[in-house]
Amino acid sequence: SQKIEQNSEALNIQEGKTATLTCNYTNYSPAYLQWYRQDPGRGPVFLLLIRENEKEKRKERLKVTFDTTLKQSLFHITASQPADSATYLCALAGNNRKLIWGLGTSLAVNP
Amino acid sequence: GAGVSQSPRYKVAKRGQDVALRCDPISGHVSLFWYQQALGQGPEFLTYFQNEAQLDKSGLPSDRFFAERPEGSVSTLKIQRTQQEDSAVYLCASSLLWDQGNYGYTFGSGTRLTVV
Repeated sequence: SQKIEQNSEALNIQEGKTATLTCNYTNYSPAYLQWYRQDPGRGPVFLLLIRENEKEKRKERLKVTFDTTLKQSLFHITASQPADSATYLCALAGNNRKLIWGLGTSLAVNP
Repeated sequence: GAGVSQSPRYKVAKRGQDVALRCDPISGHVSLFWYQQALGQGPEFLTYFQNEAQLDKSGLPSDRFFAERPEGSVSTLKIQRTQQEDSAVYLCASSLLWDQGNYGYTFGSGTRLTVV
């Protein structure tokens, strides 16, 4: 069955460092992959989308890579800030409109 | 409106009670999705609308769940005879185009349903 795995443990890093979150998937060939941020009691907020034919995408302090051979996406936040503390979710989509979601990784950036 | 609005924010229902959850998508957004999110889990797809047409309802867990979007804007998710396993956050999302492609979804804050 299709499976998505994100960092199972919460990630704690020091302010100013780069946070790297991992999303691995099996038994799936996504057309694109999305990353979202979710704060407690709120819905997910869209951050970045990367297509299967793209290797890397950037937006301000965010960078996403997508390796369809390894079946893995990495999500980087550079110069991290305490305000970046949240749960980050990856979601994959095929040619239909459903997204399949990971469980999320909790990130805490300590001042 | 400026964002996706869901109401109520919280709902406590007695087991067996019917509930109706409302979603006001961003004006002009063609696509509307309902997701269910259990505590500590990622969202799980329930159903999808393109305008007023329900194109995919494969994620609805049972025939107690019903969704509609009669005029292609506001949508209602109805759960009949609620059970404890229905307790979750119900998220609504909308997107401008039928292919949410580059734009991702815009989510509401969700309705937290607790069945007691």
